[in-house]
Amino acid sequence: KAGVTQTPRYLIKTRGQQVTLSCSPISGHRSVSWYQQTPGQGLQFLFEYFSETQRNKGNFPGRFSGRQFSNSRSEMNVSTLELGDSALYLCASSLGGLGTGELFFGEGSRLTVL
Amino acid sequence: TQLLEQSPQFLSIQEGENLTVYCNSSSVFSSLQWYRQEPGEGPVLLVTVVTGGEVKKLKRLTFQFGDARKDSSLHITAAQPGDTGLYLCAGAVDQKLVFGQGTRLTINP
Repeated sequence: KAGVTQTPRYLIKTRGQQVTLSCSPISGHRSVSWYQQTPGQGLQFLFEYFSETQRNKGNFPGRFSGRQFSNSRSEMNVSTLELGDSALYLCASSLGGLGTGELFFGEGSRLTVL
Repeated sequence: TQLLEQSPQFLSIQEGENLTVYCNSSSVFSSLQWYRQEPGEGPVLLVTVVTGGEVKKLKRLTFQFGDARKDSSLHITAAQPGDTGLYLCAGAVDQKLVFGQGTRLTINP
């Protein structure tokens, strides 16, 4: 059974640019959630999608957005990049809601903003 | 403001020693999970605790959920170098998952 796949694994952008990250969940999983991980702030919840609908959102500015497609694949977009957006972005898939079962994480997309 | 406070943030001990990591909050969680993350990888679930006072054992790891469901602890007996990693607790509240900042554990041979 294939795990959660995130692409790209690494990317470098400059301030003001935008970036799109992709996440393919485990087959059959309808929930995809996104997290930002930095040394200073730890792992912070961005948003969760379930059956193409955003079910919950963390405390991030509107520059951070996402969507989920009918095949459960998800993308997140960050516009007008800032230096502070440099982080490891993790997505996780699960069968049900957050906290009700196991989250399966991908290896992450490491974003560096110069 | 961090809803979940983990302590210690860093811990380096010798192989064979015991250790305890704490995860505390003023909030009540419907469930709490512990994950371990190794460099270059995403976190992997170790355990989920749901009932206040619950104790779960996973080989040399013992997890406890506080009676009030506001705190949890992870105890490792006879630590091994393979236990090295970042340990994260995560609490479910309002359909969100809130993570602690993590405890970076290093077990020296």
